[in-house]
Amino acid sequence: GESVGLHLPTLSVQEGDNSIINCAYSNSASDYFIWYKQESGKGPQFIIDIRSNMDKRQGQRVTVLLNKTVKHLSLQIAATQPGDSAVYFCAEIGFNRDDKIIFGKGTRLHILP
Amino acid sequence: NAGVTQTPKFRILKIGQSMTLQCAQDMNHNYMYWYRQDPGMGLKLIYYSVGAGITDKGEVPNGYNVSRSTTEDFPLRLELAAPSQTSVYFCASSGPSYGYTFGSGTRLTVV
Repeated sequence: GESVGLHLPTLSVQEGDNSIINCAYSNSASDYFIWYKQESGKGPQFIIDIRSNMDKRQGQRVTVLLNKTVKHLSLQIAATQPGDSAVYFCAEIGFNRDDKIIFGKGTRLHILP
Repeated sequence: NAGVTQTPKFRILKIGQSMTLQCAQDMNHNYMYWYRQDPGMGLKLIYYSVGAGITDKGEVPNGYNVSRSTTEDFPLRLELAAPSQTSVYFCASSGPSYGYTFGSGTRLTVV
């Protein structure tokens, strides 16, 4: 079946460095991609999204890159801070509004002091 | 504006007991979802609703039931609790945009 997956389950990054979290997706029909952040004991929170007609989108300290050729999505966090420690999920959704989001397993980002 | 509110936050059930997990949103969102998250895992869709009176199964619906009598509320019912249903349950809603708003979760343990 089609699924969203992640390359690394855990990523350790020095505080102040940039973080790059990767995600592979297999559904070429997916039209919309979202990154969520889930802190311990909380529900997922929307970070940033990107549509399939774009290859890059920037937010505050975060950038999402989409490579449709290799079906790859990445989240870049600039100047990683302790508050960035969380599990990050990528998610994909198809063209139809009634399509459900498919979530990946998540990558845990660990910030080293 | 409370967003998505889930109750209770924690619950311990004995095998075979029943309970209802409550979910309410005040954003007038048509779309609502129930997910479960097992330890160290991602989110799996249990049931979803595209509007009042309309519900449909997700990936893992067995052992659960839902109803959507109003736009605001989307309760999840467990009829005969089993240890395999030990998990954290998240309710979410979405409106005209695709982004989901999640509740803070209900941690359920079945013993």
